Amino acid sequence: EAGVAQSPRYKIIEKRQSVAFWCNPISGHATLYWYQQILGQGPKLLIQFQNNGVVDDSQLPKDRFSAERLKGVDSTLKIQPAKLEDSAVYLCASSLLRGSSTGSGELFFGEGSRLTVL
Amino acid sequence: GENVEQHPSTLSVQEGDSAVIKCTYSDSASNYFPWYKQELGKRPQLIIDIRSNVGEKKDQRIAVTLNKTAKHFSLHITETQPEDSAVYFCAASGAPGGGNKLTFGTGTQLKVEL
Repeated sequence: EAGVAQSPRYKIIEKRQSVAFWCNPISGHATLYWYQQILGQGPKLLIQFQNNGVVDDSQLPKDRFSAERLKGVDSTLKIQPAKLEDSAVYLCASSLLRGSSTGSGELFFGEGSRLTVL
Repeated sequence: GENVEQHPSTLSVQEGDSAVIKCTYSDSASNYFPWYKQELGKRPQLIIDIRSNVGEKKDQRIAVTLNKTAKHFSLHITETQPEDSAVYFCAASGAPGGGNKLTFGTGTQLKVEL
């Protein structure tokens, strides 16, 4: 089974520039997440989609970050304009079940997109 | 929202010894507690999880215990091996309406020395 695909793996930009990350979840997974992982910290949820609808974007800095999941499959995360503190790994994850009291609820992560803002 | 604290931040053990990592959570409605292992430059991967209706779960050398009253849970690794060296994250989720939103701890860097 193919895993969660992300691109690009690495991106270096200057502050105030824009960047976009792409994610293709595991086939059949309805729920998709974008996490931000700053070096030395745990992943922090930015946004959660259920199919193509947003479930939670409470921690997404909406003045500069945007995300969409058209057609309920692939997703893109955009940052514009980027700041130095946006340097992090952006992890996409998907899961089969949402809020289920049964099943593992396991999140499957992609390899991540490492962003460096200079 | 949920807040997860994790200790210690670094842990060094000798090969063959046991390692214990502890986490506390704040939201009593949380009911799902996974542990993820992240090797350097790799993606986080689930190693074990536990739901709130269970107090302990084992999988070979790995076990997780949960104390709902105290709102803490722990990861136990026995007979540690060099390949266990990685960063371990605990997480919690399950608050009503939260779906599978996971709140992660800050991570524990485990180093298993020969």
